[in-house]
Amino acid sequence: DTAVSQTPKYLVTQMGNDKSIKCEQNLGHDTMYWYKQDSKKFLKIMFSYNNKELIINETVPNRFSPKSPDKAHLNLHINSLELGDSAVYFCASSEIAGGPYNEQFFGPGTRLTVL
Amino acid sequence: DQQVKQNSPSLSVQEGRISILNCDYTNSMFDYFLWYKKYPAEGPTFLISISSIKDKNEDGRFTVFLNKSAKHLSLHIVPSQPGDSAVYFCAASTINTGNQFYFGTGTSLTVIP
Repeated sequence: DTAVSQTPKYLVTQMGNDKSIKCEQNLGHDTMYWYKQDSKKFLKIMFSYNNKELIINETVPNRFSPKSPDKAHLNLHINSLELGDSAVYFCASSEIAGGPYNEQFFGPGTRLTVL
Repeated sequence: DQQVKQNSPSLSVQEGRISILNCDYTNSMFDYFLWYKKYPAEGPTFLISISSIKDKNEDGRFTVFLNKSAKHLSLHIVPSQPGDSAVYFCAASTINTGNQFYFGTGTSLTVIP
């Protein structure tokens, strides 16, 4: 069974469209994250949610809106897609954020291509 | 502003020899460091970690060394195996930022049979 899953795996879309990426974890973790890996392979955190509550919100355009319907899911919605949004987006989860050094488990990634 | 740097984008090593992957960081507040391994089309998976109170941590063929004064850590794999071929990411964190990890850009390791 996949611990952290993301759908879709690949997403090709036109500029200006709105799209969503879904993430689910079955590890019983309380904290979930979205990372962006850009063309320079730099893996950077975007958001972190603990028990459906936003706890990390890095400098990300407000076109990006995470939504956590429950602690097992963290979806990423992107409005008005731009060329620069093309990247691989990784979802991850870990145990409670209160423990400072909990290993993060990553999903397989979603490769977003904006044309 | 990249606080964790991996200056070697790629490394090739013969099977059976030692692989040494390097990582430098700029934030002296970092006190926990991790290495992740990533295969193509998969997410990164945790490999080994080290706390700043130690200078070495070993797990089987993998050893991580930490030099706090130089703000440098390295991952040693010995002996290297073809299955070790992957991209290796270094990450760092501080107790102040909890689970916010700062990642390097990765080093692609190729182990040649």
